[in-house]
Amino acid sequence: EAGVTQSPTHLIKTRGQQATLRCSPISGHTSVYWYQQALGLGLQFLLWYDEGEERNRGNFPPRFSGRQFPNYSSELNVNALELEDSALYLCASSLQGAFEQYFGPGTRLTVT
Amino acid sequence: GESVGLHLPTLSVQEGDNSIINCAYSNSASDYFIWYKQESGKGPQFIIDIRSNMDKRQGQRVTVLLNKTVKHLSLQIAATQPGDSAVYFCAEIEPGYALNFGKGTSLLVTP
Repeated sequence: EAGVTQSPTHLIKTRGQQATLRCSPISGHTSVYWYQQALGLGLQFLLWYDEGEERNRGNFPPRFSGRQFPNYSSELNVNALELEDSALYLCASSLQGAFEQYFGPGTRLTVT
Repeated sequence: GESVGLHLPTLSVQEGDNSIINCAYSNSASDYFIWYKQESGKGPQFIIDIRSNMDKRQGQRVTVLLNKTVKHLSLQIAATQPGDSAVYFCAEIEPGYALNFGKGTSLLVTP
């Protein structure tokens, strides 16, 4: 069974640009979660999507947004990039209502 | 503030020994915990989970212990192998299905 997949693996942007990151959940999983892993800050919860709706949001500014598509894949958009947005962005998925979250390999975003 | 934390930032053990990684949490209402392993350049890998109605849960070479009295969680790895070298995170589920992660413990297995 394929795990969570994310693309691209690496992304380099300049300050002020927009970044789009993509995630495909494990087959059968309807919930998708996004986390940021910045150096020295650990993993921080960003967003949770289920059945196409945003269900929960972490303590991040509105320029972090996303959506979930009918096939349950998801994308994370980061607008007006700042240097401190440089981090590993991790996507996880779970069965609906389940606590166990399974992570993808991440997208390394570098903002210069 | 952060409600999940780890006592030891680094742990070095010899191959074949048992490893114990500790974690403290502050929210006594937390009812679900997960341990993840993260190798360099990879995403966190689910190891084992435990619910608050349990004190102990065993997996393959791993055991998680939960002490609700002192709000403490531990991960025990039996017969530690070089492939166990990684950063280990404990996480608790919060309302809204957000995982609150600790800062992680780096486990280094030496031959």
